[in-house]
Amino acid sequence: DIQMTQSPSSLSASVGDRVTITCRASQGIRNDLGWYQQKPGKAPKRLIYAASSLQSGVPSRFSGSGSGTEFTLTISSLQPEDFATYYCLQHNSYPRTFGQGTRLEIK
Amino acid sequence: EVQLVESGGGLVQPGGSLRLSCSTSGFTFSDYAMSWVRQTPGKGLEYVSGINNNGGSTYYADSVKGRFTISRDQSKNTLYLQMSSLRVEDTAVYYCVKGFYFDDWGQGTLVTVSS
Repeated sequence: DIQMTQSPSSLSASVGDRVTITCRASQGIRNDLGWYQQKPGKAPKRLIYAASSLQSGVPSRFSGSGSGTEFTLTISSLQPEDFATYYCLQHNSYPRTFGQGTRLEIK
Repeated sequence: EVQLVESGGGLVQPGGSLRLSCSTSGFTFSDYAMSWVRQTPGKGLEYVSGINNNGGSTYYADSVKGRFTISRDQSKNTLYLQMSSLRVEDTAVYYCVKGFYFDDWGQGTLVTVSS
């Protein structure tokens, strides 16, 4: 199975900050990676697909990059509604695997 | 608008069985692979099972292989997860997910395995 190592596990930041979350795959997955945002009591929502493509309707302050084994999700200027938990997901091979999640909290 | 509505969750004793359903609308069901993902309370996301668009291929996490069966009814636009030999550690919210790229998610149904 492909292991997805996500870091940091938690992050404290302020409105307006730029933040970066990283996922590393245990083997190359091309660009077969998505990023998801989850708020308490809600289902995950896709933000980024194919590592760097922005999901329709998602604000442009979210961006993704990477290929192979290292990927990043960047939020350029944090807004109050961005405080949530973020997950990466690889869909290169079965079983699909998620990162452990990054909880983004208000400083 | 894509809609995925899970049902069938509830309380079941260890060793028991349960069938989850996911009723879909707003897209051509037979064009898309579908999956089940679960989330233990307060924990992360775990892939459970997947099925290709025509039902010809299925995939399972090792943790559920041999106990869970995924299926789909194209005429009803519905995805299923038959769960048997349930264990306490299967307690989770189960999400139905559309597409190979996990495009859209249902709101989830809670399965509690407890005596």
